[in-house]
Amino acid sequence: DAGVTQSPTHLIKTRGQQVTLRCSPKSGHDTVSWYQQALGQGPQFIFQYYEEEERQRGNFPDRFSGHQFPNYSSELNVNALLLGDSALYLCASSLVGRGREETQYFGPGTRLLVL
Amino acid sequence: GESVGLHLPTLSVQEGDNSIINCAYSNSASDYFIWYKQESGKGPQFIIDIRSNMDKRQGQRVTVLLNKTVKHLSLQIAATQPGDSAVYFCAENSYRGSQGNLIFGKGTKLSVKP
Repeated sequence: DAGVTQSPTHLIKTRGQQVTLRCSPKSGHDTVSWYQQALGQGPQFIFQYYEEEERQRGNFPDRFSGHQFPNYSSELNVNALLLGDSALYLCASSLVGRGREETQYFGPGTRLLVL
Repeated sequence: GESVGLHLPTLSVQEGDNSIINCAYSNSASDYFIWYKQESGKGPQFIIDIRSNMDKRQGQRVTVLLNKTVKHLSLQIAATQPGDSAVYFCAENSYRGSQGNLIFGKGTKLSVKP
């Protein structure tokens, strides 16, 4: 049973560039959430996708956008990168079962460094 | 506002001893809590969860206690092993209907001495 997978594992970009991160959810899951984790901090919720729509969003600017595909996989896009966007980006998947989201399981993350 | 925090940023224990990691939450409306373990360079790994209609839940070598009166959560690890060394996060799932997002604290680093 494949867990949550993310690609790439590491990425280096320069300020002003754009980046796309990818996530495949755990088998059987239909919901994908994205988190940003700065060094030494807990993950911060960015947004969540369900049925190919963003259904909840954290306190992140519009430079952060996403997409969910019919196979439930998801992308996180960040435009106009800032130095402060350097972080570990985590994807978590879950299943909306019985009308209520179940436990979120995390992938290994993508380490983004903005120079 | 909503927040989840931890009392102790670091915890050092002897191998074989029991560990207790504490967490405070501020949103009294939260009804689902999760403990995650994060090893260096990896994503958070689910350990155990508890819903607000319970006070205690046990897993393999781990127990989570929930005190809703004082909004406090704890994770107990029995017979701590070197492989338990990691950063532990408590997370609060802030439900709005069927939707939820996890709110994490800053984490406690557990160091197990052989």
